[in-house]
Amino acid sequence: EAQVTQNPRYLITVTGKKLTVTCSQNMNHEYMSWYRQDPGLGLRQIYYSMNVEVTDKGDVPEGYKVSRKEKRNFPLILESPSPNQTSLYFCASRDSSLDEQFFGPGTRLTVL
Amino acid sequence: GENVEQHPSTLSVQEGDSAVIKCTYSDSASNYFPWYKQELGKRPQLIIDIRSNVGEKKDQRIAVTLNKTAKHFSLHITETQPEDSAVYFCAASPWGFKTIFGAGTRLFVKA
Repeated sequence: EAQVTQNPRYLITVTGKKLTVTCSQNMNHEYMSWYRQDPGLGLRQIYYSMNVEVTDKGDVPEGYKVSRKEKRNFPLILESPSPNQTSLYFCASRDSSLDEQFFGPGTRLTVL
Repeated sequence: GENVEQHPSTLSVQEGDSAVIKCTYSDSASNYFPWYKQELGKRPQLIIDIRSNVGEKKDQRIAVTLNKTAKHFSLHITETQPEDSAVYFCAASPWGFKTIFGAGTRLFVKA
């Protein structure tokens, strides 16, 4: 089954404790992206990647890191999480020659 | 910077009526405009999209119109049903995978 997976789905952590949210897709998509969703703000793009080792900042990259060492994986790293990073995070992927992007199930992160 | 404004933020209609959601984008390089539906606790799902070389697109009860000159695009849902109740997001994509979303419209369809 073609899909985008994210882990963990739920995470409660404390300020300053490094964490990684994984994202993986099995559709051989070149493009991958991370979004955060906050009430009243819609989805905001954090980082995106157009292929292995090619990443670029979205609209809200501060406090986040990403890496794209393999085509299927695009982890989101929070080196020192803060409470303002409490949010719902979605990973998405897309074939470079098609328009539709496919979203993962989301990761709800709470930083205390 | 680039942004997409979406209105209204909340929309309540009677079952069977039409619903219209409007978006305005700022980046004239935007060439792809998708609409997503998000049900409570679920991921966004693409419901319809349009490219900048097309003025209108229809899929059963859903249609999207685009006015490039005014940088406006709209979602039209006819014969609304209770299962249409959800949050709807518009988005604009100027290039590659860069995507800018509107803030969302919560649609309530009253039976």
